[in-house]
Amino acid sequence: DQQVKQNSPSLSVQEGRISILNCDYTNSMFDYFLWYKKYPAEGPTFLISISSIKDKNEDGRFTVFLNKSAKHLSLHIVPSQPGDSAVYFCAASEGNAGNMLTFGGGTRLMVKP
Amino acid sequence: EPEVTQTPSHQVTQMGQEVILRCVPISNHLYFYWYRQILGQKVEFLVSFYNNEISEKSEIFDDQFSVERPDGSNFTLKIRSTKLEDSAMYFCASRLNRVPLYEQYFGPGTRLTVT
Repeated sequence: DQQVKQNSPSLSVQEGRISILNCDYTNSMFDYFLWYKKYPAEGPTFLISISSIKDKNEDGRFTVFLNKSAKHLSLHIVPSQPGDSAVYFCAASEGNAGNMLTFGGGTRLMVKP
Repeated sequence: EPEVTQTPSHQVTQMGQEVILRCVPISNHLYFYWYRQILGQKVEFLVSFYNNEISEKSEIFDDQFSVERPDGSNFTLKIRSTKLEDSAMYFCASRLNRVPLYEQYFGPGTRLTVT
């Protein structure tokens, strides 16, 4: 089941620069998308979300872009900080009553000082 | 800030034994979920629970699994007869019933090791 894919297993970025994490999906019924950050031995922490009626949502250093025609979303972190080093998961939901989340495989971000 | 809590943090059990994983969701949340992550694999949905009944479940959530909200605060996942392949991190999550905000908030997880 590859409905949500994160093709880059890892990304290394210099502190202060922009981090761009990408996610692709195949299910056109998905209408809500979320990004989570996960540290080892902890649960996923919600970062930012976007509804399919929007193409951009911004929260501080984090911006999520949604391209529905390409079935692609991205998370931009600017400026990147060493504390941002973690595994980032994108997740998608069909917005039905249960709203189960379908997760991508994650991208490990390393921000170097 | 309110958070989802889970106990125990690590559970070791023998194959065939029953285990109960416990979660306390955020107090004003109305939807509750269990997910699991087998080492090296994706986070997978197991079950969602709303208004004291299962609203969705995945193929993984077979007759060996059950969920319960025994009181106003706890949400439990029971595995009746554990198998080696049940070894995973199990995450509980909860969310408000406030459309269109569908963010789910996750607990720290319970690491289940079946030997």
